[in-house]
Amino acid sequence: NAGVTQTPKFQVLKTGQSMTLQCAQDMNHEYMSWYRQDPGMGLRLIHYSVGAGITDQGEVPNGYNVSRSTTEDFPLRLLSAAPSQTSVYFCASSYTGPGGPGELFFGEGSRLTVL
Amino acid sequence: AQSVTQPDIHITVSEGASLELRCNYSYGATPYLFWYVQSPGQGLQLLLKYFSGDTLVQGIKGFEAEFKRSQSSFNLRKPSVHWSDAAEYFCAVGAGYSTLTFGKGTMLLVSP
Repeated sequence: NAGVTQTPKFQVLKTGQSMTLQCAQDMNHEYMSWYRQDPGMGLRLIHYSVGAGITDQGEVPNGYNVSRSTTEDFPLRLLSAAPSQTSVYFCASSYTGPGGPGELFFGEGSRLTVL
Repeated sequence: AQSVTQPDIHITVSEGASLELRCNYSYGATPYLFWYVQSPGQGLQLLLKYFSGDTLVQGIKGFEAEFKRSQSSFNLRKPSVHWSDAAEYFCAVGAGYSTLTFGKGTMLLVSP
């Protein structure tokens, strides 16, 4: 009963380093997205995908890349980490049901610190 | 552009008292509205959602919310708060499921 799995849960980077946050879901959901959560800011959408091979930018995409080669996986890449990217990152997936949009299922989050 | 305002950053309620968390939204069409709860160190869990129909929506853990189009509001209520309800609550609006816009959250503190 995995749901949405994010790895790693914690990561410390130095400025300029690159890394990938992994996200996998086993619910066959079409839609996946990445949010970042900062104190007092709520959750802000970074990138999202409506299906394999299709991605689009959210509210705060700069400094991040995504790809969606399979339905299950939606990795988030930090190209050159900056202290401003210190945050908690959440991956989420969702579906379309007969009654309309389904709920977002969230992973447990990845806490990233950039020094 | 859609937006969500949660006017209260923190709210303290006595255990057993009633609760109302405020949410106002801005959206051009009929919105999809959600309330999520986040316990410390955890991801977000859906409490309830509104798409259409009855404007009073029942959720999990005894929560309900009422959609008022004339006031652009979707306030969350609970008749009797339990200590385990202490958490951060987020209201969200969207036309799609991958592109929700969240409010900044309201931290609920429950006093004995």
